[in-house]
Amino acid sequence: NAGVTQTPKFRVLKTGQSMTLLCAQDMNHEYMYWYRQDPGMGLRLIHYSVGEGTTAKGEVPDGYNVSRLKKQNFLLGLESAAPSQTSVYFCASSFYAAGVYEQYFGPGTRLTVT
Amino acid sequence: QQQVKQSPQSLIVQKGGISIINCAYENTAFDYFPWYQQFPGKGPALLIAIRPDVSEKKEGRFTISFNKSAKQFSLHIMDSQPGDSATYFCAASPGSRVTGGGNKLTFGTGTQLKVEL
Repeated sequence: NAGVTQTPKFRVLKTGQSMTLLCAQDMNHEYMYWYRQDPGMGLRLIHYSVGEGTTAKGEVPDGYNVSRLKKQNFLLGLESAAPSQTSVYFCASSFYAAGVYEQYFGPGTRLTVT
Repeated sequence: QQQVKQSPQSLIVQKGGISIINCAYENTAFDYFPWYQQFPGKGPALLIAIRPDVSEKKEGRFTISFNKSAKQFSLHIMDSQPGDSATYFCAASPGSRVTGGGNKLTFGTGTQLKVEL
């Protein structure tokens, strides 16, 4: 049971390039999330999904797109990378139990846009 | 709009001391308050969480104190150890009040804790 995994771990992009970050979970969780973490700003929600085939915008969705074609995978895309998207990206998944949704996080992807 | 305010930004505590991190929230719809611990280069991991029906929850050396009327909650780490050195995030969500919308956590800005020998 690997939990939540993210690919790649590190990436350097030039401004204007595109890339896709992959998140996979093997816990059969319905809900998945993408966050970005910046110094002094905590974690901010980019997009999330409440089930296969669904996506929704979070707090900071601009410049990103997502897809959830399979229940276990959640992809985050940057169509035209900008230096402001330099950040650490975390994926999380959750399930509903006992009235709450506990979120489990992946190890992160460190992205630098030059 | 920052809905969860966390303080202090950084904290240095001597080994064996008590570490206290505070959070305040604005949204009265929040009813689930977890704390996450994050070590360098790792993802956040759930440490302890509380619902507003209790004023305190203790798990080992970690205690959450919750004050519903003041809309504040805090994390106490008793007998702090060097291995507790990490960044701690408080968070809040509507939890079970949200139907069909999943659980969207709102995070505080984090507290970097260092426990010195």
